[in-house]
Amino acid sequence: DQQVKQNSPSLSVQEGRISILNCDYTNSMFDYFLWYKKYPAEGPTFLISISSIKDKNEDGRFTVFLNKSAKHLSLHIVPSQPGDSAVYFCAAPSSGSARQLTFGSGTQLTVLP
Amino acid sequence: KAGVTQTPRYLIKTRGQQVTLSCSPISGHRSVSWYQQTPGQGLQFLFEYFSETQRNKGNFPGRFSGRQFSNSRSEMNVSTLELGDSALYLCASSLGASGVEQFFGPGTRLTVL
Repeated sequence: DQQVKQNSPSLSVQEGRISILNCDYTNSMFDYFLWYKKYPAEGPTFLISISSIKDKNEDGRFTVFLNKSAKHLSLHIVPSQPGDSAVYFCAAPSSGSARQLTFGSGTQLTVLP
Repeated sequence: KAGVTQTPRYLIKTRGQQVTLSCSPISGHRSVSWYQQTPGQGLQFLFEYFSETQRNKGNFPGRFSGRQFSNSRSEMNVSTLELGDSALYLCASSLGASGVEQFFGPGTRLTVL
């Protein structure tokens, strides 16, 4: 039972344009969400997070939107840069432990120069 | 501040053997979590240790075990290796008190032949 889903395994975007990565969840107990970026041969790197009391969080070029009624979140990257090419994971901590993360399957973002 | 380090980075074992992987968290971090990443199952939580105690365990067989030392360094052990244990094993550390954000190491790539 996948509680966090990323239905798009890959996404290609032109440099300078907006990248939108989507994530859906089924567990309504989730109240915090994180996005991680992963390059090959490296561990995931924390990117941005959002609490369920907010519907938007912004950090530089990265903005995460949360729609609780739809159980959906999205990560917007504007403008996209070739260095953003990586696998992006959304994740949520379990209600029992903040450090037991449930990850989505990831979306490979390719930013074309 | 040094990041999370994991040793070894690569490991090749044969079925039936056992393996021990090591993780040194960021200085001052008391929580260490372990994850398994495979192409089929994605990133899955194995267990979390805090102050030398296992606080949470994921849905993995008893062949997977771990421990944490007084200096917060952690080891995980897999006994009676199976082909399906081939994966990237990631360690993540966090402050552990209330912090959700986890910092990942580069991982240990285990291949079971």
